[in-house]
Amino acid sequence: GAVVSQHPSRVICKSGTSVKIECRSLDFQATTMFWYRQFPKKSLMLMATSNEGSKATYEQGVEKDKFLINHASLTLSTLTVTSAHPEDSSFYICSATYFGRPEAFFGQGTRLTVV
Amino acid sequence: QKEVEQNSGPLSVPEGAIASLNCTYSDRGSQSFFWYRQYSGKSPELIMFIYSNGDKEDGRFTAQLNKASQYVSLLIRDSQPSDSATYLCAVNIAGSARQLTFGSGTQLTVLP
Repeated sequence: GAVVSQHPSRVICKSGTSVKIECRSLDFQATTMFWYRQFPKKSLMLMATSNEGSKATYEQGVEKDKFLINHASLTLSTLTVTSAHPEDSSFYICSATYFGRPEAFFGQGTRLTVV
Repeated sequence: QKEVEQNSGPLSVPEGAIASLNCTYSDRGSQSFFWYRQYSGKSPELIMFIYSNGDKEDGRFTAQLNKASQYVSLLIRDSQPSDSATYLCAVNIAGSARQLTFGSGTQLTVLP
């Protein structure tokens, strides 16, 4: 149990376009979802914390208008990278937690390449 | 000062040996401690977590926590080449709504 599905796994987009990444908890209701970004050979950097039905809480330095997070239900959160630029190219990973379990469950990650 | 620190490695051990991975954290209020394994190009997968001082064993893995020293470690017994990966230490900082703060990871290579 506790499977988190992230889609797409890879995406290539042109500079200036927007890309939406979906994160779904398949067999549980996620109380909280988290979005991370990871550069090559670096650790995960938390971008934002998302709770269903409320606005996401962004970490310092993360642009809210560029990285739009929507958490419309207890099983789905989306991250939209707007007006993407090559420097946004990275590995984006979501995770989810639910009541009663201490650990976070990670999606498969999305490799975004902006050309 | 980084909140969660790990030796970046790389750490190399021969097959069958014990691999020892270390992690220190700065916030004394930290409550939960996690070890994740991440293969190249993949997302992290949980190995184990620990709350209380002492050792916790799960198969070939043992997590050790010393809150007084703000130190958590992971031992991998009978290391296998398939254990070669980056190991991430993560800490749940008190009052952070279950957010995890990750260390930079230790790259482990198990040599056949």
